[in-house]
Amino acid sequence: QLQLQESGPGLVKPSETLSLTCTVSGGSISRSSYYWGWIRQPPGKGLEWIGSINYSGSTYYNPSLKSRVTISVDTSKNQFSLKLSSVTAADTTVYYCARHPRTAMVSDVFDYWGQGTLVTVSS
Amino acid sequence: EIVLTQSPAVLSLSPGERATLSCRASQSVSSYLAWYQQKPGQAPRLLIYDAANRATGIPARFSGSGSGTDFTLIISSLEPEDFAVYYCQQRSNWPPFTFGPGTKVEIK
Repeated sequence: QLQLQESGPGLVKPSETLSLTCTVSGGSISRSSYYWGWIRQPPGKGLEWIGSINYSGSTYYNPSLKSRVTISVDTSKNQFSLKLSSVTAADTTVYYCARHPRTAMVSDVFDYWGQGTLVTVSS
Repeated sequence: EIVLTQSPAVLSLSPGERATLSCRASQSVSSYLAWYQQKPGQAPRLLIYDAANRATGIPARFSGSGSGTDFTLIISSLEPEDFAVYYCQQRSNWPPFTFGPGTKVEIK
């Protein structure tokens, strides 16, 4: 069973860079038909897609966040990571990692999710 | 960016009743619309993709329909575990993928 697990600091200071890692287990991150994404959700609010990456490092980003976001992949560790720079209180949300399939049958949805991790931006 | 709106914001129903949830897109998304269920403290769960296809393991009481700008998720007979928030997501014109604001199905 595929599992995803987010990890990283739960508290980040304003203007600093938020860094999270998603570890994938039960399957390889290097399968060519899959991207791996980050989605966030302010407490009690809706979902916002941040970006996605595949095993070769090909990325897609949300234009609204693109200037501050970097997503990278480490296939040797079966992990992918998120960096969000110049954070403010508005970046205080739950961050989820998820699998983003791009297969003939199922494409461009998020079918496996991590449990999510709350990151608070505060001094 | 395609904007998705969902109605109603809150749906109050009893177990066994039929739930009808709506998602409307600001422009046509063809059939490229998905539905997710989210329970408190949990990650979203994919229910329906491409408007009408149930994801793996999703019970048959969940069905989706629609195309273009208007979509519907129907839960034919609510089970206790179905009370949750439901989100739609479009994949027609991205980046970015966009989600609707959600419909909360609560126990009446």
